[in-house]
Order: sequence, then C-alpha cells, then structure tokens
Amino acid sequence: GESVGLHLPTLSVQEGDNSIINCAYSNSASDYFIWYKQESGKGPQFIIDIRSNMDKRQGQRVTVLLNKTVKHLSLQIAATQPGDSAVYFCAENRRTGRRALTFGSGTRLQVQP
Amino acid sequence: GAVVSQHPSWVICKSGTSVKIECRSLDFQATTMFWYRQFPKQSLMLMATSNEGSKATYEQGVEKDKFLINHASLTLSTLTVTSAHPEDSSFYICSASSPSGISYEQYFGPGTRLTVT
Repeated sequence: GESVGLHLPTLSVQEGDNSIINCAYSNSASDYFIWYKQESGKGPQFIIDIRSNMDKRQGQRVTVLLNKTVKHLSLQIAATQPGDSAVYFCAENRRTGRRALTFGSGTRLQVQP
Repeated sequence: GAVVSQHPSWVICKSGTSVKIECRSLDFQATTMFWYRQFPKQSLMLMATSNEGSKATYEQGVEKDKFLINHASLTLSTLTVTSAHPEDSSFYICSASSPSGISYEQYFGPGTRLTVT
C-alpha cells in the first residue's frame, strides 16, 4: 500500500555538525508535510511544515526540502546539539478532505558530544 | 501555542478490565481529535478520527467495539479500551485540530502509557 517511509533508521552525528534526515513518500496526492520530533515517552513535537506548492521552507536551525518529482522530503538541522537527540518522523496529509496524518517509520538521531 | 493534555499519563490495569483515557484541548476548541497508537520503536498509527457530536471514524483493523471513542465537547475526547488484554499495552497519543488554525495543523498530547498485566 501507499506509505511514507524513511531511508535511515538511525543517524549519528557529532555535536555542531549538520544533520539531514530523509523521507520518501509514495502518494502524489499528498499536499502537506510535517516533521515531528519525539523524545522518549513524550508526544510528537511540531518542528516545521511545508505545503506541496513550495520546495523549501526554513525555520530556526531547521530547513525542510520537498522534491515532488522524486517524492522526497528532507529535514536539515544546522549545528546539531545534544538536545536534538530524538526520533524524527515525517508525516503527510493526503488530499482526501480529512485531516488525518500518515506517519513515516521514524529516524533516531543521536548527537555525540 | 495550543496545548493538549492527556490523563492519565500512565496506567496499569489487569487483563479483562476497561481503561478510559482523556484528551483535552486546554486553550482552544477542537472540532476534530485523533487517536494514535504507538508500539515500542514504531511509528504512530492512526486508530480513529473523532468529530465533536458525531460518531468516530475508525481505521481499518481497529475494533470500534473495543476502542470506544466519545467526543462529547469541543475540548474533550475520551478513548476507552474495553476488556483490555496484554497486546493492548501501548502508548496512546491524541491530537486535536483547531478550526481557526492552519487547515491541517494538529496539536499532540503527551501520550498515555497503558500496561495490561
């Protein structure tokens, strides 16, 4: 079936380096994408979102890139900090009239001091 | 930002009993609330969509008679796990959508850890 998936289950980076987390989606009808951060035992925390009519959006230390041609989404974190260690999920909303999100499988980011 | 709370944050119950989990939007009215389930080291899986004043819409494979959802007001939705079994042990997370916000924006609660013994 259609799904949102990730290429890498675990990403380990050094503190201060930039991190890139990738996500592939298969439903071309998706028109809204969100990145969430989830720390252990907590609910997802909104990081940044992007609509399908955009290909890039920047926030504080984070950038989301959307490539609709290859159905690929990425999250870039600049100057990664130990507090960034968590599991990151991409989620998509499909243009079905409902607001339910479909989550990807997640990537664990480990920041080494 | 919008705040969503869940109660309890964790619960342990015996097999065969029922457990109720509450999801509240604290500073906004939520016409739609969503219930997700997350098993260890896995992603969030949507269980059902709850609209205030109407019946919930369940995802395929989710038993509506086992997972009872009530969305009685614009600030409260409840999930009751009936006749719980150990395989129902999971992390249950709700989210709420505000009609005044971005059309697809959802605000997530902190989750409820359910352990069935």
